[in-house]
Amino acid sequence: SQTIHQWPATLVQPVGSPLSLECTVEGTSNPNLYWYRQAAGRGLQLLFYSVGIGQISSEVPQNLSASRPQDRQFILSSKKLLLSDSGFYLCAWSAPGGNTEAFFGQGTRLTVV
Amino acid sequence: DQQVKQNSPSLSVQEGRISILNCDYTNSMFDYFLWYKKYPAEGPTFLISISSIKDKNEDGRFTVFLNKSAKHLSLHIVPSQPGDSAVYFCAASARKAGGTSYGKLTFGQGTILTVHP
Repeated sequence: SQTIHQWPATLVQPVGSPLSLECTVEGTSNPNLYWYRQAAGRGLQLLFYSVGIGQISSEVPQNLSASRPQDRQFILSSKKLLLSDSGFYLCAWSAPGGNTEAFFGQGTRLTVV
Repeated sequence: DQQVKQNSPSLSVQEGRISILNCDYTNSMFDYFLWYKKYPAEGPTFLISISSIKDKNEDGRFTVFLNKSAKHLSLHIVPSQPGDSAVYFCAASARKAGGTSYGKLTFGQGTILTVHP
């Protein structure tokens, strides 16, 4: 069966520091991968998606970037965090083609102080 | 522009009764709809989905209804159980838009469901 791992679960970082969140998927090949963010009291907003190694599409302009160095690895990064980057970050995957539901990781609670 | 809206921030229901969660959308290109359940500090869990070619889909205690003309869908939980207490998100995808949507989902703001024993 497929599993998705996301870490760390919680992170407190000072303003201006770098960020790296990692997500890996097991049990499937060539998945579509996604990074979502849930701000306090709001729904989930799609940040990035990837349909293959090295292929990244950004949905909203922001202070973050994403990379996919391996088929089942998806990384969310920032060079300098802002207070507004605080939130709950979720990695997700779906089957190739994208015509199925997405399955989410456990999420990372990021607090920028 | 909020393309998927859940206008009720919260819903309180007695155990054993029906819970009805509502969702409205504005983008006529959406053709696949999903409901997710989320507990605090966890990722959303997929519950049930429906394609735009159907108006109803059932899975155990969960039924999703789609009214395309009204751009409205609802999730019915019968009977409601205390373990159903969570945040429920409605999501939509435009699978056929421009060839493929790559599974990108647009979410509503969520509805907090509380089921009282």
